[in-house]
Amino acid sequence: EVQLVESGGGLVQPGRSLRLSCAASGFTFDDYAMHWVRQVPGKGLEWVSGINWNSGTIGYADAVKGRFTISRDNAKNSLYLQMNGLRAEDTALYYCAKGPSLDYWGQGTLVTVSS
Amino acid sequence: EIVLTQSPATLSLSPGERATLSCRASQSVSRYLAWYQQKLGQAPRLLIYDASNRATGIPARFSGSGSGTDFTLTISSLEPEDFAVYYCQQRSNWPPITFGQGTRLEIK
Repeated sequence: EVQLVESGGGLVQPGRSLRLSCAASGFTFDDYAMHWVRQVPGKGLEWVSGINWNSGTIGYADAVKGRFTISRDNAKNSLYLQMNGLRAEDTALYYCAKGPSLDYWGQGTLVTVSS
Repeated sequence: EIVLTQSPATLSLSPGERATLSCRASQSVSRYLAWYQQKLGQAPRLLIYDASNRATGIPARFSGSGSGTDFTLTISSLEPEDFAVYYCQQRSNWPPITFGQGTRLEIK
């Protein structure tokens, strides 16, 4: 059974940093691209960042480019999102999702940026 | 960046009726279009990938069609559990990936 479990969210002040993690199981992690998608409660889905199987292709939404860094550790079956210079508008539920078609999603971790 | 526009924003139908949801891309995405269903308090669930392929475990009443810039998700006969928000998503030129703004399917 595919499982994606996000962690690392919380309340953080503007300008500070946070590192999200996504622990994957139930599939061959290093066969798949992985993505981070966020959602402000009550609003739509916004793709944040993605990384291919060997970290050779990485992309970011314009809203986070230069502040967020995606990475993966295939030996640990884990995906990460380093978020620096956080802003109030980064407040959202952050999901990790598997594969080119985002066929499995975790339950999300909530990031709240507020003073 | 490719923009996806979904219509209608809200669709009000009764159980047993047919639902037709539309997604239009600002430029061709070939067939790299997916549909997701999201219920309140839950993560999105993949329904359709590559325009017309049902994901694992998705009932046959869900079908997708289209290519290029115009796509449709059809639910042939609505069940009570189908009332939710639906999103389309394209990956034709990732990065980036983009989502539509969503269509809310509500009970009439």
